[in-house]
Amino acid sequence: NAGVTQTPKFQVLKTGQSMTLQCAQDMNHNSMYWYRQDPGMGLRLIYYSASEGTTDKGEVPNGYNVSRLNKREFSLRLESAAPSQTSVYFCASSERGRTSGTETQYFGPGTRLLVL
Amino acid sequence: GQQVMQIPQYQHVQEGEDFTTYCNSSTTLSNIQWYKQRPGGHPVFLIQLVKSGEVKKQKRLTFQFGEAKKNSSLHITATQTTDVGTYFCAGSGMNRDDKIIFGKGTRLHILP
Repeated sequence: NAGVTQTPKFQVLKTGQSMTLQCAQDMNHNSMYWYRQDPGMGLRLIYYSASEGTTDKGEVPNGYNVSRLNKREFSLRLESAAPSQTSVYFCASSERGRTSGTETQYFGPGTRLLVL
Repeated sequence: GQQVMQIPQYQHVQEGEDFTTYCNSSTTLSNIQWYKQRPGGHPVFLIQLVKSGEVKKQKRLTFQFGEAKKNSSLHITATQTTDVGTYFCAGSGMNRDDKIIFGKGTRLHILP
């Protein structure tokens, strides 16, 4: 099993360009997440999808859109990239445990994005 | 809203010294999880605590969950260079729909 995969690994964009970050998991998990990580800020949730066909905003959704294409895939789109979106983006997936609220998250390797 | 605070933000220790990071929540948690992120890597799940007052050990790592289920700690005994990285705690609230909230992490540097 590959676990959680993300493409691309690195990307440089100019301000105003658009791009889509791809994420796929092969663990049959229901829930998927997109985070951004900036120095000193920890992991901040952008969007999440509790199950196929549903998406919800997280802490920092502005400037992003998501698509839960199917159970395996969850993409993140930047319609008009801004320098403030320079960050490392992590996709994660989880399967809610039998005990309420428990959901170990499995992270992908990340996408390093630089917006000039 | 729920907040998870983690201290310290950075810690430098001599190799062989002990290290502790603390996690505090503004609300009662249903569980606490700990993750480790090596430099340049991605967060990797270490452990989950669910019960009030729970203590779990993984070799030199000791994890505790407070009696009130609002705080937690990770203690590493006799640090080694392989312990370098950032340690995150993450907690979920008591409601089933509550999402997991990550602390900002503690970055551990080991001085040889």
